Amino acid sequence: QSALTQPRSVSGSPGQSVTISCTGTSSDVGSYNFVSWYQQHPGKAPKLMIYDVSKRPSGVPARFSGSKSGNTASLTISGLQAEDEADYYCCSYVGRYYVFGTGTKVTVL
Amino acid sequence: QITLKESGPTLVKPTQTLTLTCTFSGFSLNTHGVGVNWIRQPPGKALEWLALIYWDDDKRYSPSLKSRLTITKDTSKNQVVLTMTNMDPVDTATYYCAHTAIFGVGPNFDYWGQGTLVTVSS
Repeated sequence: QSALTQPRSVSGSPGQSVTISCTGTSSDVGSYNFVSWYQQHPGKAPKLMIYDVSKRPSGVPARFSGSKSGNTASLTISGLQAEDEADYYCCSYVGRYYVFGTGTKVTVL
Repeated sequence: QITLKESGPTLVKPTQTLTLTCTFSGFSLNTHGVGVNWIRQPPGKALEWLALIYWDDDKRYSPSLKSRLTITKDTSKNQVVLTMTNMDPVDTATYYCAHTAIFGVGPNFDYWGQGTLVTVSS
């Protein structure tokens, strides 16, 4: 039950696109289409941004999108905005439990 | 609207048992497909899923912590309780409870409490 691997940080200028990877194994990310992404601002609770690999909950801007290929899932933020600066965590449902990613800090330059 | 709130001690001693309560509103744990999770986050570190209880009393635990965790529900009080035995300083973390609705956004965490910081120290 190892944590999913994410880059420690990514950055981009306003209006640019950034992509965060989430690498697991054939036992977690590779086996289930239940990858979700959470945004967390400092001192706040996480917020669901993407579920089931690529679906957006109501209210989440369309500039957030998700995808998966093999054992790696990705979150792309298009048209980066200042308020997108936060920590992001992926999470995979693994049948009877869940595993989170190591987390990525997104910095808006 | 759905809200959740965690409560419990802010400080526990090593080897003690931690008991946390999640009190929620806006949904019922008698509803098919609904569950409540516990997730924690050590200061400056990543999220870690701990446990889940479903409407039908199905319980799931983190494999690495299973021997120390117990999750229960009291549907009449709209509460879910997590107990963690043999607390250690490495268990110092903010503990969150979060809602799951299989027939909503699937087995994901769509509503979260504000979290409660638990420090383990003698």
